[in-house]
Parts: sequence; structure tokens; C-alpha cells
Amino acid sequence: DIVLTQAPLSVSVTPGESASISCRSSKSLLSSKGITSLYWYLQRPGKSPQLLIYQMSNLASGVPDRFSSSGSETDFTLKISKVETEDVGVYYCGHRLEYPYTFGAGTKLELK
Amino acid sequence: QVQLKESGPGLVQPSQTLSLTCTVSGFSLTSNSVHWVRQPPGKGLEWVGAIWSGGSTDYNSALKSRLSISRDTSKSQVFLKMNSLQTEDTAIYFCTRNYGSYWGQGVMVTVSS
Repeated sequence: DIVLTQAPLSVSVTPGESASISCRSSKSLLSSKGITSLYWYLQRPGKSPQLLIYQMSNLASGVPDRFSSSGSETDFTLKISKVETEDVGVYYCGHRLEYPYTFGAGTKLELK
Repeated sequence: QVQLKESGPGLVQPSQTLSLTCTVSGFSLTSNSVHWVRQPPGKGLEWVGAIWSGGSTDYNSALKSRLSISRDTSKSQVFLKMNSLQTEDTAIYFCTRNYGSYWGQGVMVTVSS
């Protein structure tokens, strides 16, 4: 199975500042179709996960452009600029390259 | 409006079979996939399996021997059945359309005698 390692496990951010979350894959997530199969999700407290980013760098519908993602075939970074109260929760990276789809362990974002 | 709603028993005894239903609206099961994802209390997310628009299925290999996903397109429902439940199967079970932007609220399943 592909292992996704996130860092840090938690981050505390002052509102208005930026935050970055790393996700490292045990295997290249570049598919044979040239798509990088890396996704980012946010799970707010007590809520279902929501998709933020698909195929490494594409913003999902309705997601503010304060969120951005970049990376290589195995190393990825989610950046949140101007953090707001609504950004609090646990961020997960995940892949869909092969079965089983897996997730990282999550990074908890809190406000200072 | 796209909606998904999970339903099922909140409590299941060890070694018994879990049956969950995901009732969807606002989209067709013959044009979209539905995935199941679970989350043990206080822990991370685990992909369980999927049923694709054509009706084929894929399962997490760790659960495959105990798992079955099916659907009734006329009722817009997707079903998850998992047998030989153990306490480690205690989790919130979510269904999601296309593993993307639309998720149900989740249903908590506790395996306990």
C-alpha cells in the first residue's frame, strides 16, 4: 500500500498568517495518464471531510483561492494564506493512484 | 441538489454482519461512483471501497474478504455489507459521491456486546 506521511501533525497559526502542510508519498503519484493523483481534504470539527484540492493543484469548486497546492511526484505542500477561523480542522492528503486508496494521518490546524 | 445520507444500526454485536444504506438524491448512480470511507473515533480516514457507475466494485484489500457493496439504482441506494465484525470496525461510516466534494453526514457504528 502507498504510505502518505504528513507533517507536522499539528500546527498553530495566528489568523491572517500563512500555514503550510507537507505530504510525502512512499511511491510516485504520477499516473500513466500524466495526472498526479494527490488530493487534499479538510475535516472541520464534527463534520464530514470536504475536498479542497484535486490532482495535486486544482482547486475544488467553492474552495477559496487562499488554498493552493504544489509538489513533485512524491512530495507535496498545501499552503493556506491568510488563515481564517473557518480553516480550523484536520487536513488530510490522499491518493487515488491504485487500490487501496489511502490517506495521510492528518494535520490538525488550530488558531493561536 | 446533491445529497447523500447514510443509515443503519448504531450497534452491532461482534461477529455479526453490518448492513448500511447510502440513499442519494440529485444525481444518478449510473453516471457516478459512490465510495465508502470510515473513521474510527478520534482517528484518521480509511477508504473502504467503491461501486462504479457501471456497477463494478473495488474493495480495500484489508477488508475484501468480509465486504460487499451493491446498489439499487431504482431506489437510488447503495448498500454496504460487512461480516464478522470486530471491535476494530467501530467507526463513523461515510458515503461520498465520486470520492469528491459531496459526502454524507456519516453514521456511527459501534461493535460491542
